[in-house]
This record gives sequence, structure tokens and C-alpha cells, in this order.
Amino acid sequence: DVVMTQSPLSLPVTLGQPASISCRSSQSLVYSDGNTYLNWFQQRPGQSPRRLIYKVSNRDSGVPDRFSGSGSGTDFTLEISRVEAEDVGVYYCMQGTHWPLTFGGGTKVEIK
Amino acid sequence: EVQLVESGGGLVKPGGSLRLSCAASGFTFSSYSMNWVRQAPGKGLEWVSSISSSSSHIYYADSVKGRFTVSRDNAKNSLYLQMNSLRAEDTAVYYCVRGGRDSSFFDYWGQGTLVTVSS
Repeated sequence: DVVMTQSPLSLPVTLGQPASISCRSSQSLVYSDGNTYLNWFQQRPGQSPRRLIYKVSNRDSGVPDRFSGSGSGTDFTLEISRVEAEDVGVYYCMQGTHWPLTFGGGTKVEIK
Repeated sequence: EVQLVESGGGLVKPGGSLRLSCAASGFTFSSYSMNWVRQAPGKGLEWVSSISSSSSHIYYADSVKGRFTVSRDNAKNSLYLQMNSLRAEDTAVYYCVRGGRDSSFFDYWGQGTLVTVSS
């Protein structure tokens, strides 16, 4: 199985400051069709997960442009350019290239 | 508006069975792969099962293989998860999630239904 390793586990951030979450996979996530199926999700307290980014760097409709995704192969990053109070929650990466599909363990973003 | 509404959760004894349903609306259900993802209390997300649009391809996590069966009824716009031989470790919120390997991959999630396995 592909292991998805996120860091850090917890990320205290000052409002207005940037934040960065790393996600590393144990195998390359490049699929046979040339795409890399790496998604990022946000889960606010008490809510269902919400997709933010798909295929590494494509932002979903309605997602603020302060969120961006980057990376390739086995190394990926979610960045928040200026953290706002509504960004508090747990962030997960997920790979959709290999069966079984696997999620990272999550990164909890909180305000200092 | 895309909506996914799960139902069928509840309290069940170890070894028991439960059938979850997911009612889909707001999109052409028969054109999309669908998935089940679960989240144990206070824990992270775990993929459970996926089914292609025509049910021709079905996948399971090892943790549920042989006990859970995913199915769909495209005429009723519904996704199902039959859960047998339930264990305490199956206790979780179960989410219905849309999408296969395209831009829809895991793009919409339901609100979830809680399954509690306890004696």
C-alpha cells in the first residue's frame, strides 16, 4: 500500500501569516495516463471533508486563492498564503493513483 | 446542486449487519464512480470501497474485504454498502463520496452516517 506521510501533525499559525503542509508518498503518484492523482481536503470542526485541490495543483471552485498546491512524484505541498480564522481545521492529502486509495494522517491547523 | 445524503447508520451488536444507503441528486449519477470513506471517532479518513459507474469495477480496503459489499442502482440514483460481520473497529462515520479518476475525483461528500458497533 502507498503510505502518505503528512507533516507537521499540528500547525499553530498567526492570523495573516503563511502556512505550509507537506505530504510525501512512499511511491510515485504518476498514473499511467500521465496524471498525478493527489488531492487535498479540509475538514472544519464538525463538518464533512471538503476538497480544496485536485491533481496536485488545481483549485476547486469557491476555494480562496490563498490556497495553492504544488509538487510532483512523491513530494507535495499545500500552502496557505495568509491564514484566516476560517481555515482552522484538519487538512488531509489523499492519493488516487494506486489501489487501495490512501489518506495522509492529517495536519491540524490552529490559530496561535 | 449536488447532494449526497447517507442513511441507515445506527447501533448494532458485534457480528451484526447493517445496510447503508446514499441518495444522490443534482448530477447524472450513472456517469460517475462512487466511493465510501469512513472516519472513526477522533481519527483520520479511511477509504472503504469504490464502484465504477456501471458497477463493472469494484474495489475494497483489506480491512472490509469479504465482509462489506458495495452496490448501486443507477435507476434510483442510489449507492449502497452492505456491512456484515461487523466489528467494534468498524465504528465510524461513513461518508458517501463522488468521483473517479477525473476532475470529479472525491469532489463531493455527504454529511455522513454514524455506525456504532457495540454490545
